[in-house]
Amino acid sequence: AQKITQTQPGMFVQEKEAVTLDCTYDTSDQSYGLFWYKQPSSGEMIFLIYQGSYDEQNATEGRYSLNFQKARKSANLVISASQLGDSAMYFCAMREGGRTGNQFYFGTGTSLTVIP
Amino acid sequence: EPEVTQTPSHQVTQMGQEVILRCVPISNHLYFYWYRQILGQKVEFLVSFYNNEISEKSEIFDDQFSVERPDGSNFTLKIRSTKLEDSAMYFCASSDVTNQPQHFGDGTRLSIL
Repeated sequence: AQKITQTQPGMFVQEKEAVTLDCTYDTSDQSYGLFWYKQPSSGEMIFLIYQGSYDEQNATEGRYSLNFQKARKSANLVISASQLGDSAMYFCAMREGGRTGNQFYFGTGTSLTVIP
Repeated sequence: EPEVTQTPSHQVTQMGQEVILRCVPISNHLYFYWYRQILGQKVEFLVSFYNNEISEKSEIFDDQFSVERPDGSNFTLKIRSTKLEDSAMYFCASSDVTNQPQHFGDGTRLSIL
C-alpha cells in the first residue's frame, strides 16, 4: 500500500480564491509527521507546513493551513487567496516514527495552476 | 536564512562513468539525506546519514551508490558506473535534532548519455 496518496494530478484555481489539495496517508505508527512541499518549475523543493500526529490544532503558516483529520488519515493543504506564484507542484510527505532521521515518504504530487 | 547548497546544478556524464554529487547541509544540522526524482515522478528516498554512518537506506541504494562526509561541511553522493536510468534530479536534505522538517537543496540534475 502507498504510504502517501495524492489523488489530484492537476488542479486549477482562480486567482484570489482558496484551494484544497488532498492527501491521505497510511501508517500504523502513533508518532509521525506530515509535511507539504512546493516544487516550482525551477525544480527546488520548498517546505511549506508541518503537522505532528500529536498536535491537536491544525497547523497554519501564513496563507497555508493543514486540515488534519486523524481518524480519516488525511492531511489536506488549504491555500487561501491564491496568487499566480502559487502555480507549482505540491507534494505531501510523511515521516513515520518519532526519530528525526527517518526517511520521508512522498506522494505523487498535485500540479496547481492559478488562473488570472 | 541558512540553506542547503548543492553543486553542480546540472551534471552531464557518459554512461559507465562515475559521478560525485556534492552538498553542503545547513551547518548545525546533524541528519543528512539523499533523494532522487526521475522526471515527472515522485521524490524517492535513497539514504539517510547520521553520526558518520548510514542510518537508513532504500532498495534503490545498492552497491552502485555510496555516501561520504569527507569533512565538517560537505556531504557527497557517489554513483559508480552510471546507467541511463540514473538520470534524475538528486536532492540533498538536512534536518536538526528536533522534529523540524528536512530542508532541501535546489537539486542536481544528472543526465546520463
